[in-house]
Amino acid sequence: EDQVTQSPEALRLQEGESSSLNCSYTVSGLRGLFWYRQDPGKGPEFLFTLYSAGEEKEKERLKATLTKKESFLHITAPKPEDSATYLCAVQATDSWGKFQFGAGTQVVVTP
Amino acid sequence: DVKVTQSSRYLVKRTGEKVFLECVQDMDHENMFWYRQDPGLGLRLIYFSYDVKMKEKGDIPEGYSVSREKKERFSLILESASTNQTSMYLCASSLFRTTGELFFGEGSRLTVL
Repeated sequence: EDQVTQSPEALRLQEGESSSLNCSYTVSGLRGLFWYRQDPGKGPEFLFTLYSAGEEKEKERLKATLTKKESFLHITAPKPEDSATYLCAVQATDSWGKFQFGAGTQVVVTP
Repeated sequence: DVKVTQSSRYLVKRTGEKVFLECVQDMDHENMFWYRQDPGLGLRLIYFSYDVKMKEKGDIPEGYSVSREKKERFSLILESASTNQTSMYLCASSLFRTTGELFFGEGSRLTVL
C-alpha cells in the first residue's frame, strides 16, 4: 500500500531561520511527487511537481528536491508570509490519477 | 487560471438530512476528486471521476455517493448525514487522466448536529 509520511508535524521558525521539511514515501512505482501549500480555511495550492530522483524545483524561498525514497522542501530565509501547512502527495504509476497525501507539516514563522 | 468552485463554504445540517455538495471546474479537466480533511488525518479520498458518468471509490466511500452528469460538475451526496461526517470537504480537478497536479476549491466546512 502506498504511504506518505511527513515530518516534523509542526515547525516554528524565526524570520530568516532556514529549515527543511521531509516527505518520505513508499510506492510501487512513482509517477510524481507533489508539494502543496495550504493556508487556514482554504484549499491546498499547488507548488511543485517532481518526477525523478535528483530533480529540483525552486520558487522564491522554497526549493524542493527528490530522492528515491524521500523529498525535502527547503525554506530559505523564511518570512512570516511563508507560514502555512505544507502537504506532500505522491501519485503511483498504477494509480489512475489518484494521489496519496501526507498529513502535512504546519510551519509558523515569527518576526 | 484554473478555477474550482465549491457551492457552499459553510453548511450546518442535522443528523439524517440529505446533503449535496457541488463542485464546478472551468478548465475542461478530465479528473475530479472529492476529499475530506480532518486534523491529524490529512486528506482522504472519498470518490473520484475520470469521465462523465464514471466514478471510482476512493479510500473512504462509505456513507457517500457522487454524480458527474457533466464534465465540469462533480457532486458529493451524503444520503443520511451523521455526526462523524462533520469535516472539511475539498473538491479538486486535474487535467489528465493518469497524471498532473491537482487544483483545489476553497473547501466546504460541513457541521452535522
